[in-house]
Amino acid sequence: DVKVTQSSRYLVKRTGEKVFLECVQDMDHENMFWYRQDPGLGLRLIYFSYDVKMKEKGDIPEGYSVSREKKERFSLILESASTNQTSMYLCASSFIGTGWKLFFGSGTQLSVL
Amino acid sequence: SQQGEEDPQALSIQEGENATMNCSYKTSINNLQWYRQNSGRGLVHLILIRSNEREKHSGRLRVTLDTSKKSSSLLITASRAADTASYFCATDSGGGSNYKLTFGKGTLLTVNP
Repeated sequence: DVKVTQSSRYLVKRTGEKVFLECVQDMDHENMFWYRQDPGLGLRLIYFSYDVKMKEKGDIPEGYSVSREKKERFSLILESASTNQTSMYLCASSFIGTGWKLFFGSGTQLSVL
Repeated sequence: SQQGEEDPQALSIQEGENATMNCSYKTSINNLQWYRQNSGRGLVHLILIRSNEREKHSGRLRVTLDTSKKSSSLLITASRAADTASYFCATDSGGGSNYKLTFGKGTLLTVNP
């Protein structure tokens, strides 16, 4: 079965902290994505990656960076967390062989205090 | 930027009734996908319809696509309480390394037993 694993289900961090959200997929997918989901705003794309060490900005990249050192792992980094980054973060992966459908992790609910 | 917009924002029906959700989008697409999200969890892919298709079925799901009107609908027949979830449409853009999906804000479906 396809599996996308996000390292934490819930995280509480303080303003100014550096935060790492980890995502691992076991399907050998080329493409990986980070979205954030907020009530009333739906899902918004932060960053995506189509290959190791490659990254592309999504619609709301400000305040975030990403790292993809290995094909299976895609990390989202909040360099200096702020309260407006409190959100549900969703990681997903896909592959042309699946018709580009996305497989999602269970999400990380991040609270920045 | 939000490409797809679902309508209605919320829908409440009785078990056994049919549920119809609509999605409108703005620019040309290669395919349109529908996803489901149970409360506080990741999204699960339901169905994909290509731009050259007009209708597609999967179990109790029926999706239509009208590219001239830039709209799609998702019909769930004989609904069950377990269908209670948020439903999102997603449209694609780019290709190859730039492939990404943009999601709407979702329709919250409540099926009352």
